[in-house]
Amino acid sequence: EAGVTQFPSHSVIEKGQTVTLRCDPISGHDNLYWYRRVMGKEIKFLLHFVKESKQDESGMPNNRFLAERTGGTYSTLKVQPAELEDSGVYFCASSPILAFTYNEQFFGPGTRLTVL
Amino acid sequence: GNSVTQMEGPVTLSEEAFLTINCTYTATGYPSLFWYVQYPGEGLQLLLKATKADDKGSNKGFEATYRKETTSFHLEKGSVQVSDSAVYFCALEVTGGGNKLTFGTGTQLKVEL
Repeated sequence: EAGVTQFPSHSVIEKGQTVTLRCDPISGHDNLYWYRRVMGKEIKFLLHFVKESKQDESGMPNNRFLAERTGGTYSTLKVQPAELEDSGVYFCASSPILAFTYNEQFFGPGTRLTVL
Repeated sequence: GNSVTQMEGPVTLSEEAFLTINCTYTATGYPSLFWYVQYPGEGLQLLLKATKADDKGSNKGFEATYRKETTSFHLEKGSVQVSDSAVYFCALEVTGGGNKLTFGTGTQLKVEL
C-alpha cells in the first residue's frame, strides 16, 4: 500500500511568487492534516480536513495560505504571495476514521520550501 | 495552551551507549503522548505512544513512560545503533482536540561507531 506522498520534494521560489504544494493521502483516509516546521523549530499544525471539509484551520498563519481538498482525495496548499518567513518543511499526514481507537497519523516525507 | 519541550540537540553517542532524550509537556486537557522519528529523507513515523498516566510505550528497544506527576515522557534506549541516527520528536494530542498533534522542536541523534 502506498504511503502519503507529497510533491514537490523541494521548491525554491522568490519572494512574491506563488507556490502550490500537493499531498496525496493514503487511499481511504478521510482525515488529512497539514503541518509546518520552520528551521530548527517545532512542527506546527496548520489545518485539518475531514474528507473535503475543513475541520480546523486554526493554525493557518494568514490569508496568504489557501488549502483545498476537492473531492476529498488529494489536497493542495497554495502560498500566494510567498514571504521569506514561509520557508520551512511542510508535512502532510493522513489517518482513517476509526471508532474507539487512536487514529494514527501517517506522515509524508515533506516539501522543503525555500523563499529567497 | 498545549506545548512540548524537549532537549536540544544534536546528541552524538557511540554505538551501544545509553540514550535519554528528555521531554516535558503542558496541556489544557488530558493528553496522549507520542514519540515520532524522522529518518533521513523520510517522513515522520510513530515510534511509540502512551495514552494514560504510568503507561509505558515501547518499540524497537525504545521506551518512554507517561509521568503525570512530572509531566514528562522521556525517551530511553539501552543500547543505540548507528541505524538509530534520526530526528526524534515528542508530541501530544488532547482528547477532543481533533487529533491535531502538538510537537516539540525535535532532537537530532547521531550515533557513531
